[in-house]
Amino acid sequence: EVQLLESGGGLVQPGGSLRLSCAASGFTFSTYAMGWVRQAPGKGLEWVSLISGSGGGTYYADAVKGRFTISRDNSKNTLYLQMNSLRAEDTAVYYCAKLRGLRLNTWHFDYWGQGALVTVSS
Amino acid sequence: QSVLTQPPSVSGAPGQRVTIPCTGSSSNIGAGSDVHWYQQLPGTAPKLLIYGNNNRPSGVPDRFSGSKSGASASLAITGLQADDETDYYCQSYDSSLSGWVFGGGTKLTVL
Repeated sequence: EVQLLESGGGLVQPGGSLRLSCAASGFTFSTYAMGWVRQAPGKGLEWVSLISGSGGGTYYADAVKGRFTISRDNSKNTLYLQMNSLRAEDTAVYYCAKLRGLRLNTWHFDYWGQGALVTVSS
Repeated sequence: QSVLTQPPSVSGAPGQRVTIPCTGSSSNIGAGSDVHWYQQLPGTAPKLLIYGNNNRPSGVPDRFSGSKSGASASLAITGLQADDETDYYCQSYDSSLSGWVFGGGTKLTVL
């Protein structure tokens, strides 16, 4: 059974930093791309970042480019999201998700974690 | 403003058929990118409902189906049930943005 468990969420002041982790189990972690999707309170889903199975390819939404860094440790089956220079508009539930698909334009999120709440406020 | 456009809400009576449209452009759906659909129950993580335009993951009832034509796609739900009342999102890949995009979401109400 695929399981994704996020941790590291919390309250942080504007300009601060936070690192999210996502522990994966139930599948061969290094084989699959992984990503982060966020959802602001009462709003829709927004793709944040994605990393290939090997970690050699990383992708970012314009809203977070230059501030967030995605990484993975395949020896620990863990995905990370380092978030710096946080803003109020980054407040959201952050979901870790497993990707499936043959090419970039077929990739979709087939399993999701329960989410981690990040609140940016003074 | 989402790159993929969905109506904020749709409704239907129990047992009826409803469709939820997802309109894209020549840089995403119209460029041949697959469309995928997610169902999100209140307070829970999204769940994959349809992938690759018209494929159902194991366990998803055949009451749910997807289609794609040109730069648009749609999710159809037949035999509406009370527990279908929730939020639905479409998703694709946009080559101009070099990223993955979601529709704004549609809230389905079962009358």
